[in-house]
Amino acid sequence: DAGVTQSPTHLIKTRGQQVTLRCSPISGHKSVSWYQQVLGQGPQFIFQYYEKEERGRGNFPDRFSARQFPNYSSELNVNALLLGDSALYLCASSLGGRPYEQYFGPGTRLTVT
Amino acid sequence: QKEVEQNSGPLSVPEGAIASLNCTYSDRGSQSFFWYRQYSGKSPELIMSIYSNGDKEDGRFTAQLNKASQYVSLLIRDSQPSDSATYLCAARMNRDDKIIFGKGTRLHILP
Repeated sequence: DAGVTQSPTHLIKTRGQQVTLRCSPISGHKSVSWYQQVLGQGPQFIFQYYEKEERGRGNFPDRFSARQFPNYSSELNVNALLLGDSALYLCASSLGGRPYEQYFGPGTRLTVT
Repeated sequence: QKEVEQNSGPLSVPEGAIASLNCTYSDRGSQSFFWYRQYSGKSPELIMSIYSNGDKEDGRFTAQLNKASQYVSLLIRDSQPSDSATYLCAARMNRDDKIIFGKGTRLHILP
């Protein structure tokens, strides 16, 4: 079975631009969570979606938004990019609504210049 | 107090020895705990989950949970150079169901 997939792998953007990151969960998983990981830190929770509804949001500004589609894939959008948004963005999928065991995708490395 | 705390290391352990990684958490009501391994430049990989007090063993890995002390640990027996990685502890917060990660402990297995 395929694991969690994310696209693109790497991305370079300029300050002020907008970016969309994509994630496809493991087949049969209905929940997707997004995390931001900067160097030397653990992943920080951004959003969780289950059955197309937002189930949780972390302490991120409104420039960050996400959605989940009927096939359970998800997009993370970040507007008005700042240098500090440079990070590894991770998507994790889990079976049900409660975020028990989560499995991460390979991540998208975003660089903002 | 940080919600999930880990010693950042590096923790150096000789090959073949037992590596012991520790983690404390602040939310007393937390029920679910996870250990992830992350190689440099890669994404985290789930290696253990634990929900009940006591020990849980899986191959060379043993997770230990003590809810009274709000303490989780991971033991790696017969450490191998391939175990050299950052180990992330995570806890599901009872108050809002969010999973919070510690900063991770860098483990270096000395050949």
